[in-house]
Amino acid sequence: QKEVEQDPGPLSVPEGAIVSLNCTYSNSAFQYFMWYRQYSRKGPELLMYTYSSGNKEDGRFTAQVDKSSKYISLFIRDSQPSDSATYLCAMSPNAGGTSYGKLTFGQGTILTVHP
Amino acid sequence: GAVVSQHPSRVICKSGTSVKIECRSLDFQATTMFWYRQFPKQSLMLMATSNEGSKATYEQGVEKDKFLINHASLTLSTLTVTSAHPEDSSFYICSVPARQGQSPLHFGNGTRLTVT
Repeated sequence: QKEVEQDPGPLSVPEGAIVSLNCTYSNSAFQYFMWYRQYSRKGPELLMYTYSSGNKEDGRFTAQVDKSSKYISLFIRDSQPSDSATYLCAMSPNAGGTSYGKLTFGQGTILTVHP
Repeated sequence: GAVVSQHPSRVICKSGTSVKIECRSLDFQATTMFWYRQFPKQSLMLMATSNEGSKATYEQGVEKDKFLINHASLTLSTLTVTSAHPEDSSFYICSVPARQGQSPLHFGNGTRLTVT
């Protein structure tokens, strides 16, 4: 079993739809939770991050972390064709030293928003 | 704007040659940078941690003699793939923390290496 599970999709939605992306994890040591967007042949771009549990909102994006269920979500409201990309969840522990830099990524969900 | 600059974006080299990839932190002086690798249709995996002024630390299964890392200044880390082979063909991406000593990480735009 992988430490982080993410449905690879692909997910196709019409413009304006609400998109829900999710990841589950098994390692209870994870404390940092991040969502990245990756366009083809580019590096991942940080969208949202949360430390420990809770919700965070930034514009059209909302990130949720439920540590009791080991489940994180990213919601995209009013989705646009420019949101079409691969979305990666990532997590890291807070175990001291440079452990914060050892991100464990999900497989990535391919999202297409069609006009 | 970009906080991490990585160069080159693409490189094709012949088997047996060496390739150097540069990673620059643009926002602040990073004592630590991280090198990741992404194979096709797979997610990113940490290869090594680059430490300014000291030796890099490598993840299990990554050959330190093959992937040489130099972090000579607080804004520059380099990864040299020595004696490259076709199986080293991959997408190499460096990253720096958003704040010293903490997640999250910002990633560069990556270097696509093709070894023929």
